[in-house]
Amino acid sequence: DAGVTQSPTHLIKTRGQQVTLRCSPKSGHDTVSWYQQALGQGPQFIFQYYEEEERQRGNFPDRFSGHQFPNYSSELNVNALLLGDSALYLCASSFSRGLNGYTFGSGTRLTVV
Amino acid sequence: AQKVTQAQTEISVVEKEDVTLDCVYETRDTTYYLFWYKQPPSGELVFLIRRNSFDEQNEISGRYSWNFQKSTSSFNFTITASQVVDSAVYFCALSGSGGGADGLTFGKGTHLIIQP
Repeated sequence: DAGVTQSPTHLIKTRGQQVTLRCSPKSGHDTVSWYQQALGQGPQFIFQYYEEEERQRGNFPDRFSGHQFPNYSSELNVNALLLGDSALYLCASSFSRGLNGYTFGSGTRLTVV
Repeated sequence: AQKVTQAQTEISVVEKEDVTLDCVYETRDTTYYLFWYKQPPSGELVFLIRRNSFDEQNEISGRYSWNFQKSTSSFNFTITASQVVDSAVYFCALSGSGGGADGLTFGKGTHLIIQP
C-alpha cells in the first residue's frame, strides 16, 4: 500500500519563475494539505483541498495556489518565485479533512536561485 | 492565534539514557488536538501520537510516553532507554477543534541526537 507520493523530489528554479509540485495521496484518503518547511523550522500550513476545493488556507500570499483532481491527487503552484520560497514542501493526505490524522510524504526540496 | 513552543533546539544524549522533549502550547480553543511527529533525515513526518484536549491521561507506547498537563499547557514526550535509531527531529503540533481540518501549527522542532 503506497503512502503519500510527491514529485519531483528536488527542484531548482530561478527567481521570478513558476513551479508546480505534485502529490498523490495515500490510498483511501480524499484530503490533501500542503506545508512549507524552511530550513531549521517547523512546517507551516499553506492550504487544504477537499472535494476539489480549497477549504482552509494559512497565511500565504496568492502566489501560492493549488488544485485537486477527481482522483484526489493535488498540485501546488507557486508563481513569481522569490529566494525566500526555497524550502521543503510537504504534502499530507487524510480521510475526511483529517478526522483520523495525517500521512505525510517525503517532500519536494525547492531551491530558488 | 495558536502557538507551539519547543524550547530545546537540540539535545544530545548517550544511548540508553532517558530523554524528555518539552512542548508548550497556546490556544484559545476549548477543544483542540495535540500531536507529536518524528522527522528522520529522509524528510517525511512520521506520526507518533494524537491527543485531544479532553483526554489528560498519560500514554505509554513501548519506550515512548507522553505527559499531557492542561494546567501548564504542556505535552511532553519521553523516550526511555534511547536508541541510535531514535535520532531525528521531533515536532510537537497543535490543531483546533477541526482535528486538523484547519491545519496544524508546528513548533520549531527539537533535534535529538543519540550517540552510541
